[in-house]
Amino acid sequence: DAGVTQSPTHLIKTRGQQVTLRCSPKSGHDTVSWYQQALGQGPQFIFQYYEEEERQRGNFPDRFSGHQFPNYSSELNVNALLLGDSALYLCASSSLERTDTQYFGPGTRLTVL
Amino acid sequence: SQQGEEDPQALSIQEGENATMNCSYKTSINNLQWYRQNSGRGLVHLILIRSNEREKHSGRLRVTLDTSKKSSSLLITASRAADTASYFCATDGNDYKLSFGAGTTVTVRA
Repeated sequence: DAGVTQSPTHLIKTRGQQVTLRCSPKSGHDTVSWYQQALGQGPQFIFQYYEEEERQRGNFPDRFSGHQFPNYSSELNVNALLLGDSALYLCASSSLERTDTQYFGPGTRLTVL
Repeated sequence: SQQGEEDPQALSIQEGENATMNCSYKTSINNLQWYRQNSGRGLVHLILIRSNEREKHSGRLRVTLDTSKKSSSLLITASRAADTASYFCATDGNDYKLSFGAGTTVTVRA
């Protein structure tokens, strides 16, 4: 049973560029959440998707957007990258009945130069 | 902003010793969870304790929760080198998100 997968593992971009990160949830899960973890900090909630709709959003600017597909996989898009967007981006999946228990993927390390 | 704060920020112990770390949070919660993270990679779920529970055990892990003090503790007994990692507490309320603290970095010396 595959767990949560994310791609790519690492990514290097320059300021002003756009980036798309991808996540496939654990089998049987229909809800995907995204978190940003800066170096030395805990993860910060970006948003959560269920039934292809954004259900809840954290304190992140509109440059951060997402999408969920009918197969429950998800993308995180960040436009106009800033140096401060450099972080580990974590995807977590859960089932609607148990959103308290989230299973995390290995993350995508984004470096903005 | 972080909902929780872990204490201490860093902990260094000898293999075989116990490790204790604490978490304080600010608002009312439904559940509190502890996660482990190795070398800046993905988070591994360790244990969940509900707001109406006071103590929970899982293998070498013991978690306590005091909702009147808005605090929790994680005890790892008989530590091993493989326990070297960062440990985070996370709370969830009536919304869908997990709110994490800044973590405790644990180093277990051989």
